[in-house]
Amino acid sequence: GQQVMQIPQYQHVQEGEDFTTYCNSSTTLSNIQWYKQRPGGHPVFLIQLVKSGEVKKQKRLTFQFGEAKKNSSLHITATQTTDVGTYFCAGRGDMRFGAGTRLTVKP
Amino acid sequence: EAGVTQSPTHLIKTRGQQATLRCSPISGHTSVYWYQQALGLGLQFLLWYDEGEERNRGNFPPRFSGRQFPNYSSELNVNALELEDSALYLCASSPTGTRAFFGQGTRLTVV
Repeated sequence: GQQVMQIPQYQHVQEGEDFTTYCNSSTTLSNIQWYKQRPGGHPVFLIQLVKSGEVKKQKRLTFQFGEAKKNSSLHITATQTTDVGTYFCAGRGDMRFGAGTRLTVKP
Repeated sequence: EAGVTQSPTHLIKTRGQQATLRCSPISGHTSVYWYQQALGLGLQFLLWYDEGEERNRGNFPPRFSGRQFPNYSSELNVNALELEDSALYLCASSPTGTRAFFGQGTRLTVV
């Protein structure tokens, strides 16, 4: 199945700083999905990207899908304490997730 | 609309015993995925069922098995439990090939 690699594994930021996590695949992805898991919770769907070079925004979150459809990124502008959690990417198909990036935010 | 439901919420077993975890997908969803999440770690893919068939399995030993019933609900069985099987087991469902909806998980503790 499709295997996605995610970096960094951990990221600690000061509130107000920006944050970016990257998802990379060795094969072309038909689409990519992003999920967020709050501490003690379960993963919740954020967005799906389908088109090459696609960029989508949700308030302070910006999602990008690479031109070759082999990588994707999630960027958070001016992090807030509510952004704390682990962000996962997943390629379509058998829904194998990347290892996730755990974000902690210092107030 | 009811979400994905998993039972039991918590399960405590002794090493060597068998555990059975259950998952009811959202109505109309034919795909069910199982994941193991050890404390503080990522989502390790276990199994994918769709339309009653096992479509793929992750890198887990054969003592991890499961099945999907005609109503699309699913069971995960773990035989000969080991201490390192202690984890949160998450089930997710989706209409095939689209976003996944996760249940709250079953916390399995092996003592």
